[in-house]
Amino acid sequence: NAGVTQTPKFQVLKTGQSMTLQCAQDMNHEYMSWYRQDPGMGLRLIHYSVGAGITDQGEVPNGYNVSRSTTEDFPLRLLSAAPSQTSVYFCASSPLTSRFSEQYFGPGTRLTVT
Amino acid sequence: AQSVAQPEDQVNVAEGNPLTVKCTYSVSGNPYLFWYVQYPNRGLQFLLKYITGDNLVKGSYGFEAEFNKSQTSFHLKKPSALVSDSALYFCAVRDSGTGFQKLVFGTGTRLLVSP
Repeated sequence: NAGVTQTPKFQVLKTGQSMTLQCAQDMNHEYMSWYRQDPGMGLRLIHYSVGAGITDQGEVPNGYNVSRSTTEDFPLRLLSAAPSQTSVYFCASSPLTSRFSEQYFGPGTRLTVT
Repeated sequence: AQSVAQPEDQVNVAEGNPLTVKCTYSVSGNPYLFWYVQYPNRGLQFLLKYITGDNLVKGSYGFEAEFNKSQTSFHLKKPSALVSDSALYFCAVRDSGTGFQKLVFGTGTRLLVSP
């Protein structure tokens, strides 16, 4: 049981480039989400999903797209990277069957946009 | 809308002394409260949660937290700090009225335990 996995661990992009951050979980969790972590700002929700084919925006969705074709995978796409998207990105999952469940986090992807 | 405040950016404590990391919250319904810890270059790890019932919640690694409804607080405590407790701690809240698992996080408090 690997839990929540994220790839890559590190990435450097040039302004305007696109890329996809991968997230996968093997716990059969319905709920998955993406956060970004910036110094002094805690974690902010980018997008979330409550099941395959269902996604919604969080607090800071601009510049990011998501899709959920399977229960296991929830990739985050940066369409045209900007320096303001330099951050550490975390994926998390939790079961919807329990309203009280904690979220399980991946190890993070550190992204630098130059 | 729900919100969380962690008023201290950093807490310094000597090893063996008790520690407290403060958290206050605001929700419209009943709160579900969580503490997470983040070690350097790692993801967040769950420590403990309050859903209902006993106001004193015990969690991993000897940590506990006290829920105070009148003060809207959920402070994290440990009777005797270890150097290995040095990390970044996040408080998070979910409003019982929200339909999904959305969490709102505080800005984090760095705990530094000196030998």
